Amino acid sequence: DADVTQTPRNRITKTGKRIMLECSQTKGHDRMYWYRQDPGLGLRLIYYSFDVKDINKGEISDGYSVSRQAQAKFSLSLESAIPNQTALYFCATSDLRPGQGSYNEQFFGPGTRLTVL
Amino acid sequence: KNQVEQSPQSLIILEGKNCTLQCNYTVSPFSNLRWYKQDTGRGPVSLTIMTFSENTKSNGRYTATLDADTKQSSLHITASQLSDSASYICVVNQAGTALIFGKGTTLSVSS
Repeated sequence: DADVTQTPRNRITKTGKRIMLECSQTKGHDRMYWYRQDPGLGLRLIYYSFDVKDINKGEISDGYSVSRQAQAKFSLSLESAIPNQTALYFCATSDLRPGQGSYNEQFFGPGTRLTVL
Repeated sequence: KNQVEQSPQSLIILEGKNCTLQCNYTVSPFSNLRWYKQDTGRGPVSLTIMTFSENTKSNGRYTATLDADTKQSSLHITASQLSDSASYICVVNQAGTALIFGKGTTLSVSS
């Protein structure tokens, strides 16, 4: 979805390096999420944010941190990258407005393929 | 434990044929179930979303069914096309905020 963009699209880094993945959205959604996807596994939630002042840990937050710089921007950092953080990372957004019930449909970005050597 | 199980893990069919993908879940409390299509190297894109009161929903050649009593869902693809080759992910929204993702079924449509 072109409304959710991620940079970089591909990144190769070395063990111990700090790396930041960025996500921007033009959908005007309040909620943003970071997931990782590994071969043979479902997407797993790393962190999520319901607004600029709200940050929550997901299922697998260890080794990661996030920053919600603005409603439209949500970045994911790996403080000291390790090889088992090699994965495909997705940012997603959603907007639970009154009247939409419990749908909470999420819109995903194109992903960032991260390789840690 | 909240889980979403999909079958088969992978499937190969000829162009023009129909196929059905299965999803069983144990997520509680249940809010809604959605099917996503994920092309290789791309982010998932929503195909259908169903609440417990909806037992069928269509999106073009894609038809999803939901049986909330047995906690089963299926995604039926009619007259498959080469562009249907992708991973199909079943996702259950646990009431509140959490999405529980299945591992996906990889569909390959060959000519």
